[in-house]
Amino acid sequence: DSGVTQTPKHLITATGQRVTLRCSPRSGDLSVYWYQQSLDQGLQFLIQYYNGEERAKGNILERFSAQQFPDLHSELNLSSLELGDSALYFCASGAGAGYTEAFFGQGTRLTVV
Amino acid sequence: DAKTTQPNSMESNEEEPVHLPCNHSTISGTDYIHWYRQLPSQGPEYVIHGLTSNVNNRMASLAIAEDRKSSTLILHRATLRDAAVYYCILSRGRAVRFGAGTRLTVKP
Repeated sequence: DSGVTQTPKHLITATGQRVTLRCSPRSGDLSVYWYQQSLDQGLQFLIQYYNGEERAKGNILERFSAQQFPDLHSELNLSSLELGDSALYFCASGAGAGYTEAFFGQGTRLTVV
Repeated sequence: DAKTTQPNSMESNEEEPVHLPCNHSTISGTDYIHWYRQLPSQGPEYVIHGLTSNVNNRMASLAIAEDRKSSTLILHRATLRDAAVYYCILSRGRAVRFGAGTRLTVKP
């Protein structure tokens, strides 16, 4: 158990819809990272928040957004969903702002039908 | 981000040492070398990281070449639980994309 909690574990939704994925980091960790893992793209870094502020941006689509709340939990919002957005979405947390040891959650499997 | 190259797959026998290679010929002086692994149906798990010197922890050892253009993750005694995809990534202090990794199969 990494200490990172992601909900829900599974999500099935229709194209065009909007969903929110939630992540609770390990106690004491200030950074949250979001990754997308699909079969043909591997693990893609989406975005990092550190202590409530956006710290780094990766290959995140404009239809996707994230935020980190004062209690340090984070949400990833995916809108206007397309079939190609079906993937595993992982959240990871780390103690500092720099990328060293990151602890990953079990992921949310999103299926868009 | 600097690129890493790993073999697609490797096999090992249980209780034998495993050396997983990674080439990173375009590494810069500030790039840290990280290794993660992903067991089936799980999120990636941190294994080890280093900058210039060899590193040891309870899971593995990381041997870094003197010119830093390559590194090797060493599992001292492979167990069936070590069967996973192993990722070698470089980071200058920010998160990066993971490559395809090496799929390690451990045979009993």
